[in-house]
Amino acid sequence: DSGVTQTPKHLITATGQRVTLRCSPRSGDLSVYWYQQSLDQGLQFLIQYYNGEERAKGNILERFSAQQFPDLHSELNLSSLELGDSALYFCASSHQGQEQYFGPGTRLTVT
Amino acid sequence: GQNIDQPTEMTATEGAIVQINCTYQTSGFNGLFWYQQHAGEAPTFLSYNVLDGLEEKGRFSSFLSRSKGYSYLLLKELQMKDSASYLCAVRALVEGTASKLTFGTGTRLQVTL
Repeated sequence: DSGVTQTPKHLITATGQRVTLRCSPRSGDLSVYWYQQSLDQGLQFLIQYYNGEERAKGNILERFSAQQFPDLHSELNLSSLELGDSALYFCASSHQGQEQYFGPGTRLTVT
Repeated sequence: GQNIDQPTEMTATEGAIVQINCTYQTSGFNGLFWYQQHAGEAPTFLSYNVLDGLEEKGRFSSFLSRSKGYSYLLLKELQMKDSASYLCAVRALVEGTASKLTFGTGTRLQVTL
């Protein structure tokens, strides 16, 4: 158990819909990272937040957005969903930019 | 941008030693990480190198040569439970003090009897 929690574990939704994935970092970690992992691709970095502020951006689509709240939990919002958005979405947290600890992931299926 | 290469698949025998190589090209290098990922599960942190040389942690060791853009993960006394994907990840500075971790596509290791 990494100490990072993610909800929900599984999500099935239809194309065009919008979903919100939630992540709580390890106690004391200020940085939260979001990744997407598709079957045919490796882990793709989406976005990082540090203490509520966006810190770095990766290959995040405009249809996707994220935020980190004052209690340091983070949400990833995915809208206008397409079949190709089906993937595992991982959240990770770190302390002072050191190694990242990953949550169990949310498996999103878009039908 | 960054480019990370590692073999797609490897097979090794239980009790043996296996070396998984990773080569990378990046600017602003700020560390290299190895993660283990079992199918459908979260990646788990194995090792971190930022200076040249070997870091040993039990059955796992990791080596880094920054001048060659090269790292390897060495797994000794292989066990069946070591069958997993091994991800090489490079951290690079992007803006000011912000950094980004880029993962390779992973090496799927199968340990056989």
